[in-house]
Amino acid sequence: QQPVQSPQAVILREGEDAVINCSSSKALYSVHWYRQKHGEAPVFLMILLKGGEQKGHEKISASFNEKKQQSSLYLTASQLSYSGTYFCGTVGYGNKLVFGAGTILRVKS
Amino acid sequence: EAQVTQNPRYLITVTGKKLTVTCSQNMNHEYMSWYRQDPGLGLRQIYYSMNVEVTDKGDVPEGYKVSRKEKRNFPLILESPSPNQTSLYFCASSLSPGDGPEAFFGQGTRLTVV
Repeated sequence: QQPVQSPQAVILREGEDAVINCSSSKALYSVHWYRQKHGEAPVFLMILLKGGEQKGHEKISASFNEKKQQSSLYLTASQLSYSGTYFCGTVGYGNKLVFGAGTILRVKS
Repeated sequence: EAQVTQNPRYLITVTGKKLTVTCSQNMNHEYMSWYRQDPGLGLRQIYYSMNVEVTDKGDVPEGYKVSRKEKRNFPLILESPSPNQTSLYFCASSLSPGDGPEAFFGQGTRLTVV
């Protein structure tokens, strides 16, 4: 049921780029992306609806390939504030929001 | 201010002692859900509710109960807590998970069962 995220963890230096992938075995209606700082609640980044659209949020963008049931989150020119755990959440035709295991991102100066 | 409020934030209890974690939202959202977060396993859904009096099991419902008598409240009940239910719990609400917009999360409840 849970979507599969990769990689499990990534360490970057400031200014480097990263890609986090999310894939599901089920047909998807939408994909959500959230970021969680240590000890805090997850915070919404963006949602992508079926249709293969790509969305952006500052230097963070994402794509959704509906046919492959995959989404990718792109972090460009990473900053220290990008550190945290990133979760993708998928919604299939049961209209239930299910999250992956998360990707730990650490940005070093 | 739009928010989801969970109480308590921290709770230590003993095995078998019934407890309730409350969740309340002020955004008139129809969809509410409970997740537990454990290291390496991410956010796993316990129960969710599409509207008042409509609830359904998520991926890990064993040992939990919920009710949705009012739109704003969605309490999580542990009738007989066990140590394997020690976890960080989050309540979330949204208008509709499929169409968006975003889901709002409560601040979390860290539960320890000894």
